[in-house]
Amino acid sequence: EVQLVESGGGLVQPGGSLRLSCAASGFTFSSHAINWVRQAPGKGLEWVSAISGSGSSTYYADSVKGRFTISRDNSKNTLYLQMNSLRAEDTAVYYCAKDGGNLVVVYAMDYWGQGTLVTVSS
Amino acid sequence: QSALTQPPSASGSPGQSVTISCTGTSSDVGGYKYVSWYQQHPGKAPKLMIYEVNKRPSGVPDRFSGSKSGNTASLTVSGLQAEDEADYYCSSYAGSNNFHVVFGEGTKLTVL
Repeated sequence: EVQLVESGGGLVQPGGSLRLSCAASGFTFSSHAINWVRQAPGKGLEWVSAISGSGSSTYYADSVKGRFTISRDNSKNTLYLQMNSLRAEDTAVYYCAKDGGNLVVVYAMDYWGQGTLVTVSS
Repeated sequence: QSALTQPPSASGSPGQSVTISCTGTSSDVGGYKYVSWYQQHPGKAPKLMIYEVNKRPSGVPDRFSGSKSGNTASLTVSGLQAEDEADYYCSSYAGSNNFHVVFGEGTKLTVL
């Protein structure tokens, strides 16, 4: 059974940092690109970042470029999102979501974690 | 990159069909086959319902179907059931040299 479990969310002050983790199981982790998608309270989905299966390629939305860093440890089946210079508008539930393609990317997220809430407030 | 345009709400009675549209541009919806649809119930994670315009993942009922014409994609839900009441989001690949995904604004589907 595929499982994605996020952790690391919490309350942080504006300008602060936080690192999210996503522990994966039930599939060949290194064969799949993984995404971070966020959802502000009462709002829609926003794609944040993605990383290739090998970890050699990373991609970011303009809204987080230069502030967030995505990475993965394929030996630990874990995905990370380092978030720096956090702003109030980064407040959201952050989901990790697996791309459905095996060794290729199909830009469809077939499994999602339960999400972790990040609140940026003083 | 702007969000794809979806109607904020849609509704239908049990057994009826409803179609939700998702309008983008030639740089996203119209330019690629990578259009997906997600269902999200309150407080839950999204669930993939359609990928590559019209393909259904295993376990998704065939009451859900997808299509695309030009820059507009559509999700049709036939034989509406109470459990279909949820928010629906479309998404599309939107980068020629980048892994860039854009979501729609979301549509609240109400089963009357």
